[in-house]
Amino acid sequence: DTGVSQNPRHKITKRGQNVTFRCDPISEHNRLYWYRQTLGQGPEFLTYFQNEAQLEKSRLLSDRFSAERPKGSFSTLEIQRTEQGDSAMYLCASSYPPGLAGEAGELFFGEGSRLTVL
Amino acid sequence: GNSVTQMEGPVTLSEEAFLTINCTYTATGYPSLFWYVQYPGEGLQLLLKATKADDKGSNKGFEATYRKETTSFHLEKGSVQVSDSAVYFCALSEYSSASKIIFGSGTRLSIRP
Repeated sequence: DTGVSQNPRHKITKRGQNVTFRCDPISEHNRLYWYRQTLGQGPEFLTYFQNEAQLEKSRLLSDRFSAERPKGSFSTLEIQRTEQGDSAMYLCASSYPPGLAGEAGELFFGEGSRLTVL
Repeated sequence: GNSVTQMEGPVTLSEEAFLTINCTYTATGYPSLFWYVQYPGEGLQLLLKATKADDKGSNKGFEATYRKETTSFHLEKGSVQVSDSAVYFCALSEYSSASKIIFGSGTRLSIRP
């Protein structure tokens, strides 16, 4: 297994355009997370899936953002009508479900997709 | 809400110096605590974790102890190496829901040879 894969690695777009990022998690992981990271900040939680079900969405995720994981494997994150404030690194991570005692599993991160909105 | 506060960087040390990066947290319930590291050009990866009070996580010479009384999880290493240069993120996960991990803002560490 090659780990979590994200595509494209870099995307430059004009304001108002739509962009889509893809994440391929580690195959045996049933949880998949999206985070956003801006320069000098830590990753901010956006949303997560358990299999194909989207279980939680952050208030950061406006109605211009949508994420899917249609078959419980890869996931896409789409941003419609991009704004300059959307410029950031979009991180995907996957994990096993919580342990028997409820403790969180280790997140395995991809290298991210960097979005620049001009 | 839950949050993590860690010391601002950058932190610059000489090789073989002692390292402490402070981290405190605010959480309801019983969080698990983590340190993640991001080496240049790589994705974030787990460095160590602790799931209950007084637990000590350790890896690659780094240690951190879960202190419930001071709501802290400070990262320490006795003798740093140039290869430890990276950005370090303290993080927590709510024990009851384990639905997501919340990260601090990161501390950039640079080690001089």
